[in-house]
Amino acid sequence: NAGVTQTPKFQVLKTGQSMTLQCAQDMNHNSMYWYRQDPGMGLRLIYYSASEGTTDKGEVPNGYNVSRLNKREFSLRLESAAPSQTSVYFCASASGGSGKNIQYFGAGTRLSVL
Amino acid sequence: AQKITQTQPGMFVQEKEAVTLDCTYDTSDQSYGLFWYKQPSSGEMIFLIYQGSYDEQNATEGRYSLNFQKARKSANLVISASQLGDSAMYFCAMRESYGGATNKLIFGTGTLLAVQP
Repeated sequence: NAGVTQTPKFQVLKTGQSMTLQCAQDMNHNSMYWYRQDPGMGLRLIYYSASEGTTDKGEVPNGYNVSRLNKREFSLRLESAAPSQTSVYFCASASGGSGKNIQYFGAGTRLSVL
Repeated sequence: AQKITQTQPGMFVQEKEAVTLDCTYDTSDQSYGLFWYKQPSSGEMIFLIYQGSYDEQNATEGRYSLNFQKARKSANLVISASQLGDSAMYFCAMRESYGGATNKLIFGTGTLLAVQP
């Protein structure tokens, strides 16, 4: 019943520090996504990986890097955190290809950058 | 540009009554998918219901139904017999291209629903 697992759940950083958000899915999905959620703005796509070995920028990629480590894992890295990156981060996965392609989300990581 | 609009920042509904949450979308694609997600106060995003642009019938999932009006570009979520546990933020989302490899979602800003006893 794990689905999409994100770690950590909470994190506080100082400006300029780096960190990596981890995401793993056990649904054998091809596609994985990273979103950020800010008050009043819904979810915005940061980066996505349509399939293992590929990554592409989304709507708000600046200040972030990603790695699709294997089919299960997709990490998001903040090299030099800024207060503007204070947000809730969600990882999602979907089967890919044709059909409904429902995205299933992890529980989120709440990040504060001071 | 593709866009999702949810014009109701917040709504109240009495327990056991039905409620409609509005969603309009803008796209030039002929093939697209529309989704509704629920986000309770605990923060997780829960998939509720899906409508494909070529689906002739409105989607239903238990107490949730989607009132899909293609010509008006609206995809309103109807929750019947509201329960206290329905109190949450609800997001409408659109997939950019049907079945495409990217499968990217565009989200609206959400509607906060409060169910009153």
